[in-house]
Amino acid sequence: HLQLQESGPGLVKPSETLSLTCTVSGASISGSSYYWGWIRQPPGKGLEWIGSIYYRGNTYYNPSLKSRVTISVDTSKNQFSLSLSSATAADTAVYYCARPGSSGWFPFDSWGQGTLVTVSS
Amino acid sequence: EIVLTQSPGTLSLSPGERATLSCWASQSVSSNYLAWYQQKPGQAPRLLIYGASSRATGIPDRFSGSGSGTDFTLTISRLEPEDFAVYYCQQYGSSLTFGGGTKVEIK
Repeated sequence: HLQLQESGPGLVKPSETLSLTCTVSGASISGSSYYWGWIRQPPGKGLEWIGSIYYRGNTYYNPSLKSRVTISVDTSKNQFSLSLSSATAADTAVYYCARPGSSGWFPFDSWGQGTLVTVSS
Repeated sequence: EIVLTQSPGTLSLSPGERATLSCWASQSVSSNYLAWYQQKPGQAPRLLIYGASSRATGIPDRFSGSGSGTDFTLTISRLEPEDFAVYYCQQYGSSLTFGGGTKVEIK
C-alpha cells in the first residue's frame, strides 16, 4: 500500500529557503516510471502545482516558480525533496507530495496528508 | 500556460439533486487530458475523473465527466451527503494547471 509523508520545518523566515522531504513507503521511487510531484495550497485558496520529478531525475517546474524551485530525488532513501528559495509570506501554504495513478504524465491519485509551512519572522 | 476557469464558484444544492460543474480552458486541452478532484476540509484532494471521462478506481458511478477541447463538465447525478466538498479541475496536456475550484454546499 503506497504511502507518502511530507516532513520539514513548519516555520520559515522570510528570504530563507523552504525545504521539505517526501518519504515514500510501499513502493520504490526507482522501481517504475512515475513523475513524483509537489503541490501546494495557501490557506483558504486553491491548488497550485509546484513541480514534478521523474525517477531518473528529470524535473518539470511551474513556470511561475521555476526560478526559485529545486526538486531532487534520493533513491537510496526512497525520498524526493523540495527547495523553494527566497521565501515570502505568499509561500505560506499546505504542501503536498503526490504520485500519479499511472506511469507517465498522469493525474495524482496518491497524496500525502500535507504539511503546513508558515513563512513569518 | 493553460488557464482553467471553473463555474460557478459556489453551488448550493440539496441531497438527491443533480450537480453540474463547469471547467473552461483558455486553449484546447491536448488529448482531453482533463481531471477532476474532490477535496474535503483538512484532507488531501481525491482523484475522481481522468482523461475527461474515465472514473478513477473506487469512484461511484454517480460521478461522470464529459467534454472536450476547451469545455468540460463534472456531473454528480444525485448528491449524497458526503459529496458536499470543493471540486477542482486540472489539465495535464500541457504542463499542469488547476482551476480555481467550485464549492458544492448544502442548501
